Amino acid sequence: KNEVEQSPQNLTAQEGEFITINCSYSVGISALHWLQQHPGGGIVSLFMLSSGKKKHGRLIATINIQEKHSSLHITASHPRDSAVYICAARVAETSGSRLTFGEGTQLTVNP
Amino acid sequence: KAGVTQTPRYLIKTRGQQVTLSCSPISGHRSVSWYQQTPGQGLQFLFEYFSETQRNKGNFPGRFSGRQFSNSRSEMNVSTLELGDSALYLCASRIGTGRGEDYGYTFGSGTRLTVV
Repeated sequence: KNEVEQSPQNLTAQEGEFITINCSYSVGISALHWLQQHPGGGIVSLFMLSSGKKKHGRLIATINIQEKHSSLHITASHPRDSAVYICAARVAETSGSRLTFGEGTQLTVNP
Repeated sequence: KAGVTQTPRYLIKTRGQQVTLSCSPISGHRSVSWYQQTPGQGLQFLFEYFSETQRNKGNFPGRFSGRQFSNSRSEMNVSTLELGDSALYLCASRIGTGRGEDYGYTFGSGTRLTVV
């Protein structure tokens, strides 16, 4: 079983719809990251969460530490939001840390 | 300020060769980590460096190695290349290895390696 599980794997929405992507993790974490990857490969870090909720523009990320669950919401989705969204857990180890990743959610927003 | 710079962007190598990839972090960032992304395995952690020391290593064979220089630039090396090493290699820099709000990751655009 992967340490980080994301759902859904693929998501198609119409412009303007509210979108939710879910992430569950099974390891102890020091932070949970939401990343966005566009075709071509570049990754942009959207949020880093250790508790509660964060909002940036139309994007909202929440985390429930007790349930080991995080969600990424996109309000009023737009075709430019089409990308792969990746959940990553930062795991602290004896020396240093590592990121462990979900499989990603391919989001397509149609006009 | 300049972002994380990875060179080269694209690379084609032959099986058995070796390759060196470079990552220049954001100025002032002292931690660099490397990741491999393939269609089959997704994103996987390779190494983490801080102040020229390898702090952590992922589950990859010894053919994968890396180092970090005093200016925080990092290189990773893959020897005896195999077809399965074809992947997008990404690096990310952080200001340090702490847990606070300032310790988020900034990713480079990646090096796409094709082994033929």
